[in-house]
Amino acid sequence: DIQMTQSPSSLSASVGDRVTITCRASQSISRFLNWYHQKPGKAPNLLIYGASSLQSGVPSRFSGSGSGTDFTLTISSLQPEDFATYYCQQSYTTPRTFGGGTKVEIK
Amino acid sequence: QVQLVQSGAEVKKPGASVRVSCKASGYTFTGYAMHWVRQAPGQRLEWMGWINAANGNTKYSQRFQGRVTITRDTSASTAYMELSSLRSEDTAVYYCARDIDRPAGRWSDPWGQGTLVTVSS
Repeated sequence: DIQMTQSPSSLSASVGDRVTITCRASQSISRFLNWYHQKPGKAPNLLIYGASSLQSGVPSRFSGSGSGTDFTLTISSLQPEDFATYYCQQSYTTPRTFGGGTKVEIK
Repeated sequence: QVQLVQSGAEVKKPGASVRVSCKASGYTFTGYAMHWVRQAPGQRLEWMGWINAANGNTKYSQRFQGRVTITRDTSASTAYMELSSLRSEDTAVYYCARDIDRPAGRWSDPWGQGTLVTVSS
């Protein structure tokens, strides 16, 4: 199975901060990388697909980059509604494995 | 709009089986595959398997091979996930999620609201 490693596992940030989360795959996955965020008690919600394509309706402050094994999710200016847990997922092959998550908390 | 609505919470005893349903609306059910993903308390999301809603073909994670069965009823636009030989470690929220497969990539959207399955004696 392809292992997905996210860092950091948690971070504290203030409204307006620029936040960067990284995701590393144990082997090359081309650009088959998706980002989701999840709020407590809710289902995951798609943010980015294909490493850098913004899902319809997702604010432009979210962006993704990377290919091969290393990927980044950036939130350019953190908003109150962005405090959540973020997960990367590889869709290169099954099983469609997820990273361990990054919890973004209010500083 | 596209929506997946799952069945309600379940409490099961160790050794029992559970079946969770996922009713789709707002799109052609047979045009997309459906994934099942679970999340144990405090744990990462874990992919369990998927079904091609058009032909019923399935693929399962090795971790659940032999214990999980995913089926669908096209007349009801509903997918089902059955997990057998339940143990306490199977206590989790179970999600269905529609598969999207395009030149731009492959992703899951939308997701069902989740079904909590509690395994306890």
